[in-house]
Amino acid sequence: DAGVIQSPRHEVTEMGQEVTLRCKPISGHDYLFWYRQTMMRGLELLIYFNNNVPIDDSGMPEDRFSAKMPNASFSTLKIQPSEPRDSAVYFCASSRGRPDPEAFFGQGTRLTVV
Amino acid sequence: TQLLEQSPQFLSIQEGENLTVYCNSSSVFSSLQWYRQEPGEGPVLLVTVVTGGEVKKLKRLTFQFGDARKDSSLHITAAQPGDTGLYLCAGARFGNEKLTFGTGTRLTIIP
Repeated sequence: DAGVIQSPRHEVTEMGQEVTLRCKPISGHDYLFWYRQTMMRGLELLIYFNNNVPIDDSGMPEDRFSAKMPNASFSTLKIQPSEPRDSAVYFCASSRGRPDPEAFFGQGTRLTVV
Repeated sequence: TQLLEQSPQFLSIQEGENLTVYCNSSSVFSSLQWYRQEPGEGPVLLVTVVTGGEVKKLKRLTFQFGDARKDSSLHITAAQPGDTGLYLCAGARFGNEKLTFGTGTRLTIIP
């Protein structure tokens, strides 16, 4: 398996624009996680899915953020409208869940909102 | 509120020295994981500890889970430049797949 695949690797956009980040988890993994990483706040969980169903979205900053998982092999994280404070590295991770909770991370999308 | 506090936040030492990184919480976790992250990459799992008091060794790295399952430590013996990176602990609560990550320790080993 190629691992968790995220696209794009880098995204630069203007404030107010819509941004869509994409993730393909590892086949057979039932859990998918979206994280955001910044120097100030570290690695924060935004939302996670189990079998394509959102389980906990308490980490989503505000209504401008939304995430979907239409099938087991694809998920998106959308920000609309984007703001400069959304600039961060966004990671997608997947796991099999217990008893094997290891999270496998993608390479991340570095988002810059100017 | 940060559930998992790591210390030190930054550490820079000479090659060959030993070091210990700490991960502390007031919460109880069912398991705790340690990850290492290199620039431009996502975190990669080093180890998972699940039993209070458990000690696991991975070559020069020794991981310990506290008896009360609230804290953990990572000890590196004879550090090498390849150990440089961001070390993250992550805890899972009972009955929950959600992983909460620590604040991170940025380690630099000077050749």
